[in-house]
Amino acid sequence: KNQVEQSPQSLIILEGKNCTLQCNYTVSPFSNLRWYKQDTGRGPVSLTIMTFSENTKSNGRYTATLDADTKQSSLHITASQLSDSASYICVVSGSNSGYALNFGKGTSLLVTP
Amino acid sequence: TAGITQAPTSQILAAGRSMTLRCTQDMRHNAMYWYRQDLGLGLRLIHYSNTAGTTGKGEVPDGYSVSRANTDDFPLTLASAVPSQTSVYFCASSDRLATGASSYNEQFFGPGTRLTVL
Repeated sequence: KNQVEQSPQSLIILEGKNCTLQCNYTVSPFSNLRWYKQDTGRGPVSLTIMTFSENTKSNGRYTATLDADTKQSSLHITASQLSDSASYICVVSGSNSGYALNFGKGTSLLVTP
Repeated sequence: TAGITQAPTSQILAAGRSMTLRCTQDMRHNAMYWYRQDLGLGLRLIHYSNTAGTTGKGEVPDGYSVSRANTDDFPLTLASAVPSQTSVYFCASSDRLATGASSYNEQFFGPGTRLTVL
């Protein structure tokens, strides 16, 4: 069972509008959570990373929040641009000794003119 | 700096044939990874390498093999391709293996190889 669930699966918004993407996880014990942006035909690129002690982190128009108690994270995109059209992937790392990355399936965002 | 390069960009392969996907990084990262990405599924780890000379199995290793003769290169080989191996393959690297607290260090991904097995 996937330990990282993202919603919505896909989203269409108008250029200039804001949007929020959700990530719920069951990974435990928790180490950190990362949001990636993946443009079509490209590899994922890291946007933000947060540990359990961080509630929010920004990268330009991207703001990620984390609630480690409820095991939820969100990625808020402000004043969307056409170049924001991409897949956004939530990755949660556990604190176990082995390979620790758990990938969500991603949210596909389309920004239209 | 090139970062991570992958070759080929895309390939169509007949079932039963063998193929090696190439991956090279110039960041002197210790850890390297191979993932496959399929529609509707998240990235899944195939194999990884903690450092040159060592490799490990990921979530979906069957049908794939890897080697890590040096720090920079991490080729992925399909000995006898099957249609279910049709996918987009991503190579990634990080300074250290993504375990526990060290998973904080960033993974850098290559541009991917789109493989179709007919």
